[in-house]
This record gives sequence, C-alpha cells and structure tokens, in this order.
Amino acid sequence: DSGVTQTPKHLITATGQRVTLRCSPRSGDLSVYWYQQSLDQGLQFLIQYYNGEERAKGNILERFSAQQFPDLHSELNLSSLELGDSALYFCASSVGSGAGYNEQFFGPGTRLTVL
Amino acid sequence: DAKTTQPNSMESNEEEPVHLPCNHSTISGTDYIHWYRQLPSQGPEYVIHGLTSNVNNRMASLAIAEDRKSSTLILHRATLRDAAVYYCILRDLRDYGGSQGNLIFGKGTKLSVKP
Repeated sequence: DSGVTQTPKHLITATGQRVTLRCSPRSGDLSVYWYQQSLDQGLQFLIQYYNGEERAKGNILERFSAQQFPDLHSELNLSSLELGDSALYFCASSVGSGAGYNEQFFGPGTRLTVL
Repeated sequence: DAKTTQPNSMESNEEEPVHLPCNHSTISGTDYIHWYRQLPSQGPEYVIHGLTSNVNNRMASLAIAEDRKSSTLILHRATLRDAAVYYCILRDLRDYGGSQGNLIFGKGTKLSVKP
C-alpha cells in the first residue's frame, strides 16, 4: 500500500459525458501528479500540482483539467469524453516538486471506460 | 530528458538472479538513474535509484557502469511476485525543487518469472 488513494476504482460512462477522478496523496506529500496509461500510448504524464499550484503540464488535452485543494487532495476533471479517453488514470505523490531523487508514490489507479 | 533503451522482454526462473539492462548513452553528469516497476493491475512503484556508485536496497541492486552509459538492475532471487514491467528512467538532479518533477516512462522491460 503506497498510501495514495484514488476513487473511484472503476468508472463507466458514455461519450460526451464529464467525470471527476479524485486522489488523496500520502500524508506529508505536497506534490500530486496525474498520469494516463493506455494500451497504445503507455504511461504518459498529464499534469503536476505542488501545494495547490500548477507546476508542470504534459500531454494534457484542453478537455481535461485538474486542481489541488487546500487539504492537498486533487481532482482530475475529464469532459466531452471520447472513446479514446478510455484508459487507466494514475495519481502519484511526492514530498517535493522537483526531479532528481524525488521518489513518487503511485495510487492504484482509476479505470475509465467510455462507451 | 536523456533517452533510455531497454529490452522489450526477459524471462527468468524463480529463485535465480535477474539482470535487467538499460542503456543511456546520452546521460548527462547530473542525471540520476531511477528504476520503477509496475506489477500487473497496479500502479508503478519505486525500486531504486543511483547517480554514480552501485546501490543496494531491500528490493534490488543497481550496478552503474563506470562511464554511466549503462546500468543494470539486479534482482538477487526472482520470485513470482517480481513479474512486472521494469522502467529505467533518467531524472536531472538540477530539476530538484524545480518544475519538472514528472517521470517520463518508456516501454520498459516485461519480466516473466517461471516457477
């Protein structure tokens, strides 16, 4: 158990809909990262927040947005969903905001299926 | 970030040592070498990291070539639970405290362990 929690575990929805994925980081971790894992693209970084502020953006679509709240939990909002958005979405957390030796702890993921 | 090259797959027998190679010929002097693994149906987990010297922890050992252009993750006695995809990732030490804390995953090496 990494200490990172994600809800829900599974989500099935229809095209055009909007969903919210939730992540609670490990106690004491200030950074939250969101990653998407699909069969054809592998694990891809989406966005990072540190202590409530956006720190880095990866291959995140404009239809997707995220935020980190004062209690440090984070939400990833996916809207106007398309079939291609079906994937595993992982949240990770770390103590600091940078790279180097900053270990990341991953949650169990949310499996999103868009029908 | 500098690129890494890993074999697509490897096989091992249970209770035998496993050597997982990674080539990173364009590594810079400030790049840390990180290894993560992803067990089936789970999020990635940190395994080990190093800069120049060989490193050991309870999960594995990391052997780094003298010229740092390659490294090897060593599992001393593979168990069935070690069957996973192993990712070798370079992270620039200079990013510590900066805005690029995300991990860039390649395709990794899928390790199969036979009983």
